[in-house]
Amino acid sequence: EIVLTQSPGTLSLSPGERATLSCRASQSISSNYLSWYQQTPGQAPRLLIYGASNRATGIPDRFSGSGSGTDFALTISRLEPEDFAVYYCQQFGLSSYTFGQGTKLEIK
Amino acid sequence: QVQLQESGPGLVEPSETLSLTCAVSGASVSSISWWTWIRQPPGKGLEWIGEISNSGITKYNPSLESRLTISLDKSKNQFSLKLISVTAADTALYYCAKNGGFDMLYWGRGTLVTVSS
Repeated sequence: EIVLTQSPGTLSLSPGERATLSCRASQSISSNYLSWYQQTPGQAPRLLIYGASNRATGIPDRFSGSGSGTDFALTISRLEPEDFAVYYCQQFGLSSYTFGQGTKLEIK
Repeated sequence: QVQLQESGPGLVEPSETLSLTCAVSGASVSSISWWTWIRQPPGKGLEWIGEISNSGITKYNPSLESRLTISLDKSKNQFSLKLISVTAADTALYYCAKNGGFDMLYWGRGTLVTVSS
């Protein structure tokens, strides 16, 4: 099983600031298989990024994804109030999917 | 617009079988795609349970494989999950989803299943 480790566990920032969330895999994965999700309280997760760097339909361009191999990142260029949520990375490898444990982005 | 709706008992007794169904609208389970189950224990993160293709090929989380069956009902445009011998550790919010590529593009709202006597 490929383990995804997200850091930090909690990130405290203010609206308008830049956020960078990290996702590290226990072994190298194809960029095609790395996705990011946003989950707000009481809601199902929402796909933000697929293929490491491709925004899903309707996702604002302040969200961007990057990385390759074992190190990936989600960047939010200027935080809006609705961006404060929990973010998960997810990968497909060895015929199964795994999720990271999540990063909570909270208002400072 | 693709919509998914989970349904099933909200309470299951320990050692019994958890059975859930995901009704799909706006898409056909017969079309080329994968259909997925994910769960989230209260206050915790996401866990991939397994998936089924439009042709009935299944992939399961190795940690659940011995207890798990995912099936497809093309006549009702739905897919289902059965998990046997449940324990309190199976208490979670269960989501169904439709894959995009190697991601979960459309999600249901989730259904809470509590394992308790």
